[in-house]
Amino acid sequence: DAGITQSPRHKVTETGTPVTLRCHQTENHRYMYWYRQDPGHGLRLIHYSYGVKDTDKGEVSDGYSVSRSKTEDFLLTLESATSSQTSVYFCAISGNSEEAFFGQGTRLTVV
Amino acid sequence: KNEVEQSPQNLTAQEGEFITINCSYSVGISALHWLQQHPGGGIVSLFMLSSGKKKHGRLIATINIQEKHSSLHITASHPRDSAVYICAVSNNNDMRFGAGTRLTVKP
Repeated sequence: DAGITQSPRHKVTETGTPVTLRCHQTENHRYMYWYRQDPGHGLRLIHYSYGVKDTDKGEVSDGYSVSRSKTEDFLLTLESATSSQTSVYFCAISGNSEEAFFGQGTRLTVV
Repeated sequence: KNEVEQSPQNLTAQEGEFITINCSYSVGISALHWLQQHPGGGIVSLFMLSSGKKKHGRLIATINIQEKHSSLHITASHPRDSAVYICAVSNNNDMRFGAGTRLTVKP
């Protein structure tokens, strides 16, 4: 299995609080991604990174920010969580071969 | 219209049946991926292919680049194959996903 871990795996938070999800890889892959998965939708890209300090927005980036200060870590921050951000969040990594590896997911509930 | 369309959305089969899930796409790609997600579970990559056919155990994936179509076949299906199967396409590491096919295999 590819070395990719997400933390936390589950989180319940209150509306208006900041939340940070972490994705950690040990594969030295260049590309890292954050997706959200909701019923009735396929995986939707929030943000992605193509290198240290190089990030860009995906299709559902409003309300989210990211940082990548090291190759191995990609952080997703919800500055002020809202109920619409209740979702399952997946991190993924890929390298030059384009084969993608996914983390186990983080189930976030905003109450 | 979504860039990646899967059919069927839901599929129920009896154990032992041959299963086919289809994927059509409308964009240029460098690779097509089949992913598997068990209920409440993570996402696992089953295949990545850019041409022809690949086989792994009871799973076979094919792609027709000219027709922009791929199929995932499961032979001798088993209840443990019950999962959501997701087709995705990528181009220069930009990945787009289908909505998934929910497969239930009954014993």
